[in-house]
Amino acid sequence: KNEVEQSPQNLTAQEGEFITINCSYSVGISALHWLQQHPGGGIVSLFMLSSGKKKHGRLIATINIQEKHSSLHITASHPRDSAVYICAPFNNFNKFYFGSGTKLNVKP
Amino acid sequence: GAGVSQSPSNKVTEKGKDVELRCDPISGHTALYWYRQSLGQGLEFLIYFQGNSAPDKSGLPSDRFSAERTGGSVSTLTIQRTQQEDSAVYLCASSLSRGWTEAFFGQGTRLTVV
Repeated sequence: KNEVEQSPQNLTAQEGEFITINCSYSVGISALHWLQQHPGGGIVSLFMLSSGKKKHGRLIATINIQEKHSSLHITASHPRDSAVYICAPFNNFNKFYFGSGTKLNVKP
Repeated sequence: GAGVSQSPSNKVTEKGKDVELRCDPISGHTALYWYRQSLGQGLEFLIYFQGNSAPDKSGLPSDRFSAERTGGSVSTLTIQRTQQEDSAVYLCASSLSRGWTEAFFGQGTRLTVV
């Protein structure tokens, strides 16, 4: 059983669309990262959050610890947003768990 | 540099040979993680070091895999008698000690076993 489930696995959108990626997890965590992996493999952390909501530019992340669910939203999507997005919760001992990723392709 | 540094960036090795992959974490980060990503697959946890505690080796796929972290800083992941299924990108990340914190990833080492 996967501790972290992401949906959808693949997502194709037209430029400008609003995008939502969901993450559900079964383990007890202290916080969660949303990671972005561009073609070529480099991974960057977009957000780390333990409660509520965070916003960076066109990206919004929310988390509900009680429901063990987090979402990543992209407003006004752009082709440069095309990447794999990975949900990565971690526990009090800083052990990370990874979702399988959502491959996003934004078409111009 | 200020980030997590991994070397080599690419490694091609013959089946059966041993390889060593190196990770230089961000200075002061006590937590260090090794993951791997096979082609088309998600991230797979391998091993986790936290300060002077015994490492969490629960993700190592076989006893051909081992890792050490000397002086609480640089880490080396060793794969003995490499197999073709070991081909993957091996990623290292580091973070500050306990408490919610950010993890910073290196660029990875692409290992190809031929």
